[in-house]
Amino acid sequence: DQQVKQNSPSLSVQEGRISILNCDYTNSMFDYFLWYKKYPAEGPTFLISISSIKDKNEDGRFTVFLNKSAKHLSLHIVPSQPGDSAVYFCAARAGGGADGLTFGKGTHLIIQP
Amino acid sequence: DAGVTQSPTHLIKTRGQHVTLRCSPISGHKSVSWYQQVLGQGPQFIFQYYEKEERGRGNFPDRFSARQFPNYSSELNVNALLLGDSALYLCASSFSTTEAFFGQGTRLTVV
Repeated sequence: DQQVKQNSPSLSVQEGRISILNCDYTNSMFDYFLWYKKYPAEGPTFLISISSIKDKNEDGRFTVFLNKSAKHLSLHIVPSQPGDSAVYFCAARAGGGADGLTFGKGTHLIIQP
Repeated sequence: DAGVTQSPTHLIKTRGQHVTLRCSPISGHKSVSWYQQVLGQGPQFIFQYYEKEERGRGNFPDRFSARQFPNYSSELNVNALLLGDSALYLCASSFSTTEAFFGQGTRLTVV
């Protein structure tokens, strides 16, 4: 039973355009959400996070939106750059985090020149 | 600043053997977590340690164990290796209960 779902295995976006990566979750106990970026042969790199008490968080080109009623979050990257090509993971935490992070399967973002 | 460091980076073991993976957290971080990532999947939580005590355990068999040392570094041990244990093992350190910062991982291949 997947509690965090990223339903798009891959996404292709033209350089300079907006990239929108989506994530759905089922566990109502999740109270903190994170996005990570991963290049091959490297560990995941933290990008941006959002608490369940907020609906939006921005950091430079990255914005995360949270819709609690729909149990849905999205990561917007504007403008998309070639270096953004990577696998993006959505992750969620419940309570104090003792059960670690629950990750989705990832979305491979490809930025086309 | 040094990030999370893991050793070794690659490892090949035979079925039935034992393996020890090591992790040094970011300076000042007292929490270390371990994750297993198999191809095509997201990382899956194995253990979390804080101040040398186990705080959480994922759905992994007892062949998996870990510990955290007084300097906050950590070891993950896996006994009686199976082919299915082949994966990227990731260590993450945290200052608080929010963001976790990952190392580059140890690629374990069981043959």
